[in-house]
Formats: sequence, structure tokens, C-alpha cells
Amino acid sequence: RKEVEQDPGPFNVPEGATVAFNCTYSNSASQSFFWYRQDCRKEPKLLMSVYSSGNEDGRFTAQLNRASQYISLLIRDSKLSDSATYLCVVNPYDYKLSFGAGTTVTVRA
Amino acid sequence: NAGVTQTPKFRILKIGQSMTLQCTQDMNHNYMYWYRQDPGMGLKLIYYSVGAGITDKGEVPNGYNVSRSTTEDFPLRLELAAPSQTSVYFCASNTGNTEAFFGQGTRLTVV
Repeated sequence: RKEVEQDPGPFNVPEGATVAFNCTYSNSASQSFFWYRQDCRKEPKLLMSVYSSGNEDGRFTAQLNRASQYISLLIRDSKLSDSATYLCVVNPYDYKLSFGAGTTVTVRA
Repeated sequence: NAGVTQTPKFRILKIGQSMTLQCTQDMNHNYMYWYRQDPGMGLKLIYYSVGAGITDKGEVPNGYNVSRSTTEDFPLRLELAAPSQTSVYFCASNTGNTEAFFGQGTRLTVV
């Protein structure tokens, strides 16, 4: 079983739509969680950290469910500029950051 | 602030050649990582380091070597390049349990 698994998509949504996707992780001892954004195989950049109580950053909402071992990302009011690959990142106890393969989101006009 | 700097940005190698990918960070991070990303795939960990003088293998270490003589530098060595090593290589660093910062990547083609 992979350490981190994501729905690869692609999610193709119109501007203004809401899109959500999940990521599951296998190591129950994982300590920290992040969503990164990657454009056209450029370097990944932090979108947001994911906290136990859930957190928002503008149009983006992240949730963590430790019992079921998944994290989620929801994007509201999608913009064209949100088109990217979203990487789920899990930091287990041994600090070897594990990346999901990414979820591709395309927002169309 | 420079953050994480990788050189070179692009390189074409012939089969059997060797090269070193350079990575340096100026954030005083203890943890440094090397990943490779093949087309349409996620990032796979090659090697990582938890501090100067300490390195360990990741998921795909074969064909690579690393060293960590200083906190700032974490070079990745390819000894005998093979076409299977054609990839984009990313170096990253963090303080352990925090977000990782990435270099801009090295696009390597082995022909």
C-alpha cells in the first residue's frame, strides 16, 4: 500500500464552481500534513498546512480526519488561476516527507 | 532571501557519464531532501539528511550518492548515468516537522 494516495482526477470544473478531493495516508503516526500546489512540473509550493481542527485560507478549506486517515481540500469559487496539480504531503514520525502523486484540477472559463 | 538554490537548471548527459547536482539552502534547516519526479508521477524520495554528516536512503536510492558536510549543502551525485535517470530532480529543506521549501529543480536528460 502506498504511503499517500490521491485521486488523480482530472477534475475539470467551470469558473465559480466548488471542487473537493481527498488524500489518504497509511501511517497512523503521521504528525503533520500539507497541501502543495505544483504548476507544469515546476517546484511545489506550499498552499496550506492542515490542522486537526480544520482550517481555511481564503477560498481554500482543508480538513484532517485522523480516525479515517485522510485529508481533504476544498476550493470554492474556482478561478482560472487555480488550475494546477495539488499534492498531498504527509510528514510521518521519521520526517521523510511523503508525497501523493497529485490531483489535477483544470478550471475552464 | 535565496531559500533553496539548485544548479544546474538543465543538463543533458550521455549514458555512463557522471555529474553532481548542487543544492544549497540559507535557512539553517537541518533536514534536506532529494526527490525525483518522472512525467505524470509524484515525487519519489531519493535520499535525505537530518543534519550535517548524517544521510539516509529514501525510496529510490539506487544509482545515486549524497554527502552532507555542511548544514547548507546537500549535493546529489550520479555516477554512471542511465536513461532511467531522466527526470526532474528537486531538492528541499525544512526544520523537520514543518513545511518544506523547494529549489527550482534540475531537468536532467540522459541520452
